[in-house]
Amino acid sequence: AQKITQTQPGMFVQEKEAVTLDCTYDTSDQSYGLFWYKQPSSGEMIFLIYQGSYDEQNATEGRYSLNFQKARKSANLVISASQLGDSAMYFCAMREGPSGSARQLTFGSGTQLTVLP
Amino acid sequence: DTGVSQDPRHKITKRGQNVTFRCDPISEHNRLYWYRQTLGQGPEFLTYFQNEAQLEKSRLLSDRFSAERPKGSFSTLEIQRTEQGDSAMYLCASSLFGLAGEGETQYFGPGTRLLVL
Repeated sequence: AQKITQTQPGMFVQEKEAVTLDCTYDTSDQSYGLFWYKQPSSGEMIFLIYQGSYDEQNATEGRYSLNFQKARKSANLVISASQLGDSAMYFCAMREGPSGSARQLTFGSGTQLTVLP
Repeated sequence: DTGVSQDPRHKITKRGQNVTFRCDPISEHNRLYWYRQTLGQGPEFLTYFQNEAQLEKSRLLSDRFSAERPKGSFSTLEIQRTEQGDSAMYLCASSLFGLAGEGETQYFGPGTRLLVL
């Protein structure tokens, strides 16, 4: 089974509107971390936001928020007030095990977001 | 505060040649990871170091691949006898063990794009 599933290969959003990028995950660990990264066409993976499995509140970082629904094993990224510069590939990733345990990240297949003027 | 750097950014080689990539992590980071990303996919873990010790290797890392981090600072990834299937983006990431509040976020470099002809 896929550990990280991103079901939207491509998404379009109008500039200044909000958009939600879906991510579901599969793990039997009680302690894990969820990350979102942005990858522009230049290739660099840019860290956006982190949610720990024991965090009770949804993470927020500026225009990014993570809608964490633990029982449903979903960790959707919400981008508010989209900007043209938000056009990029977005990856959801999971670290299984507690923070501090050096575990690799498992990535989904990504969602290509295009912001329309 | 400089980020993760990688060199070269692009490499074209002929099948059968050896190539070496370098990664310089964020200066105080003690963990370093290598990932490989093929077109249209998320990155896949290859190996990781804590200081100079290589602690985990993926089954993706065939015996043609070798990675080192001799003094616990920069790392090199060498591919011997390259094959066309090695064509990919090779990403390096670093993290600081102990920064639990951020879930030990991995920060990525710009990657090295390898094309094997």
